[in-house]
Amino acid sequence: KAGVTQTPRYLIKTRGQQVTLSCSPISGHRSVSWYQQTPGQGLQFLFEYFSETQRNKGNFPGRFSGRQFSNSRSEMNVSTLELGDSALYLCASSRRASNEKLFFGSGTQLSVL
Amino acid sequence: GENVEQHPSTLSVQEGDSAVIKCTYSDSASNYFPWYKQELGKRPQLIIDIRSNVGEKKDQRIAVTLNKTAKHFSLHITETQPEDSAVYFCAASQSNNNDMRFGAGTRLTVKP
Repeated sequence: KAGVTQTPRYLIKTRGQQVTLSCSPISGHRSVSWYQQTPGQGLQFLFEYFSETQRNKGNFPGRFSGRQFSNSRSEMNVSTLELGDSALYLCASSRRASNEKLFFGSGTQLSVL
Repeated sequence: GENVEQHPSTLSVQEGDSAVIKCTYSDSASNYFPWYKQELGKRPQLIIDIRSNVGEKKDQRIAVTLNKTAKHFSLHITETQPEDSAVYFCAASQSNNNDMRFGAGTRLTVKP
């Protein structure tokens, strides 16, 4: 069974640009969560989707958005990139409607220059 | 919303010793407390979790304890081995709410 797949693995962008990250959950998993990981800050919750609906959102500005498709694949978009957006973006999927037993992808390392 | 604090931020132990990592949470409605291990350059992986109706759970060398009254929970690793070296994250959430909040992480180093 394939794990959670995130693409691309690395991204380099400049300030002001926008970026789209993709996450394919484990087959049969309907919940997808997104996290931002930076050194010293741990894992910051961005948002969570289940059956194409955003159910929760963390404390991030509106520049961060996402969506989920009918096949449970999810995308995250960051507009007007800032230097502080440089981070590892992780997505995680869960089989259940709850967020128990999250399975993480390898992440997308975003560098904003 | 939920706020999770984790201590210590770094922990160094000798192989064979025990390691304890502690977390506190703020939302009394939280009822699910997982622990994730992230090795260098790898993805976080669930190692153990506990629900609020249980005070302690063990899995081989790993155990988690929960004190609901004090709103804190701890990870205990006994007989540590070099392969236990990693960053460990605690988290808290309500099981019917997918807003999982993580602690800042503890970097555990086990010296051979």
